[in-house]
Amino acid sequence: EAQVTQNPRYLITVTGKKLTVTCSQNMNHEYMSWYRQDPGLGLRQIYYSMNVEVTDKGDVPEGYKVSRKEKRNFPLILESPSPNQTSLYFCASSLNRGGVTDTQYFGPGTRLTVL
Amino acid sequence: AQSVTQPDIHITVSEGASLELRCNYSYGATPYLFWYVQSPGQGLQLLLKYFSGDTLVQGIKGFEAEFKRSQSSFNLRKPSVHWSDAAEYFCAVEDYKLSFGAGTTVTVRA
Repeated sequence: EAQVTQNPRYLITVTGKKLTVTCSQNMNHEYMSWYRQDPGLGLRQIYYSMNVEVTDKGDVPEGYKVSRKEKRNFPLILESPSPNQTSLYFCASSLNRGGVTDTQYFGPGTRLTVL
Repeated sequence: AQSVTQPDIHITVSEGASLELRCNYSYGATPYLFWYVQSPGQGLQLLLKYFSGDTLVQGIKGFEAEFKRSQSSFNLRKPSVHWSDAAEYFCAVEDYKLSFGAGTTVTVRA
């Protein structure tokens, strides 16, 4: 089954404790992206990746890191989480960018609480 | 930069009644427009998309949307709502990335 998976689905942590949220897709998609969803703000893009070893900042990259060492995985790293990073996070992927827009497929979400 | 406005934060509709969700965009060129639905506790699912051509777009679950360039709008409609349509709906516009509106929550009453 074609899908985007995220782990963990729920996470409660404390300020300053490094964490990683994994994202994996099995559709051989080139483009992957991370969003955070906050009430009243919709989804805002954190980082995106056009292909392996190619990443770029989205609208709200502060406090986050990503890496794209292989096509299927795009982990989101919070090196020193803070309470304002408490949010619902979504990973998404699509076939390619290439100047032509494409349907993005979303993972189920990771609800993160930083105390 | 592109942006999307969904004027209605929350809409309540009776089951069987029609539904229209508003979306206005700001974008300089021909926009690529999307509607996504998020059911409670779920990720986002694409309902429909507009790239070019016919301005009336049919999607899944009986939804349709109409692109009106003169009004910079891409409103979503469904003729008869089912209880399972209760969800949050997001309009999005794409250039090199997706920009989402703040969302409209739809409540369906029996």
